[in-house]
Amino acid sequence: GAGVSQTPSNKVTEKGKYVELRCDPISGHTALYWYRQSLGQGPEFLIYFQGTGAADDSGLPNDRFFAVRPEGSVSTLKIQRTERGDSAVYLCASSLIRGVRNTEAFFGQGTRLTVV
Amino acid sequence: AQTVTQSQPEMSVQEAETVTLSCTYDTSESDYYLFWYKQPPSRQMILVIRQEAYKQQNATENRFSVNFQKAAKSFSLKISDSQLGDAAMYFCAYRSRETSGSRLTFGEGTQLTVNP
Repeated sequence: GAGVSQTPSNKVTEKGKYVELRCDPISGHTALYWYRQSLGQGPEFLIYFQGTGAADDSGLPNDRFFAVRPEGSVSTLKIQRTERGDSAVYLCASSLIRGVRNTEAFFGQGTRLTVV
Repeated sequence: AQTVTQSQPEMSVQEAETVTLSCTYDTSESDYYLFWYKQPPSRQMILVIRQEAYKQQNATENRFSVNFQKAAKSFSLKISDSQLGDAAMYFCAYRSRETSGSRLTFGEGTQLTVNP
């Protein structure tokens, strides 16, 4: 696609529910990143995929958070037993990696998650 | 671990004037990238300018330029001839060049207001 697409744009869920956030990266981009941005803060890294595998998941805050990228393209961030503290904007970015060169990261418009 | 600090939560500038946004960072690495991103209310992070640490020459993109002081670990953004469309949140970010696919580390952001 022309850019990184994230759906839904906004999501309101009740505490304790399960949510899935989707990211459709730029076609051909091998690297995909998830970031979380709390109100008034800079984005914080969650997880990085190179192809289908999670190359770095050290930013996931706890085991309620999980992400997949089964075919090396679309990724889904899954949050179980949501808590009010999970409320934030979840940003996805993609880039093209060739060897040790990593091109610019392109971001989507994010999903604003509100847990009530 | 790398850290990025933006000490100015808010800045304002008159239209057509020049403004400088400050950023400092901490790292033990010698090879890295530094970025300035703009985030308008649409939430999408837009790359403004990029600097490679091994390059001594300061990067310039039209009205945007940086003052990169590697020894001082300082990376400020200068916006010349400010326009109303420049109003946004600006984030300074660091990325290691020593490993491919490495994450972006963001500062806390500076909210820029442009007054007509």
